[in-house]
Amino acid sequence: QVQLRESGPGLVKTSQTLSLTCSVSGASISSGTYYWNWIRQPAGKGLEWIGRIFTSGRTYYNPSLRSRATISLDTSKNQFSLKLSSTTAADTAVYYCARTDGYNRPFDFWGQGTLVTVSS
Amino acid sequence: SYVLTQPPSVSAAPGKTATISCGGENIGSKSVNWYQQKPGQAPVVVVYDDNDRPSGIPDRFSGSNSGNTATLTISRVEVGDEADYSCQVWDSSGDHPGVFGGGTKLTVL
Repeated sequence: QVQLRESGPGLVKTSQTLSLTCSVSGASISSGTYYWNWIRQPAGKGLEWIGRIFTSGRTYYNPSLRSRATISLDTSKNQFSLKLSSTTAADTAVYYCARTDGYNRPFDFWGQGTLVTVSS
Repeated sequence: SYVLTQPPSVSAAPGKTATISCGGENIGSKSVNWYQQKPGQAPVVVVYDDNDRPSGIPDRFSGSNSGNTATLTISRVEVGDEADYSCQVWDSSGDHPGVFGGGTKLTVL
């Protein structure tokens, strides 16, 4: 069974860089047709797709976050990561990592989510 | 950017049918996925590619998609179906970003 788990600081200072890691078990992040995604959800609001990375390392981003987001793979640890720079309170949200099996497919496995608060 | 519009809330009595709409320009030309999210939990896909169900999802959940509206239908609603439901597509422009609707809270009366 595929499992994903997010980890990282729960509190980030305003203007600093938010860094999260998603640890994957039950699937290799560097093989197959999988895309590895980051999605966030502010409290009481809808889901927002941040971006994805293919097993080859090719990345795709939400145009609204492209200038601040970076997604990368760490194949030695079977993990992928998100960095979001120049954070503001508007970046406070529950952050999820999720997988799709193929390009433009549904999100079939999700992490449990991790709350990140951005505050001065 | 592509926008998906959902009603904030719908309600249905147990045993009745609930319908949740998802509006978007020419959404009928895209594949729509629907996710169920209960409080404090990650979303779970209940319908994908407009009207397919993952294994383990009861056939009470169905979807349709035509024109500018996609619809999730939940038949014989149960108390356990109370949750937020979000539609999702992949935009056809640029790098095909993922797009979610704002979510609809289903209340089972």
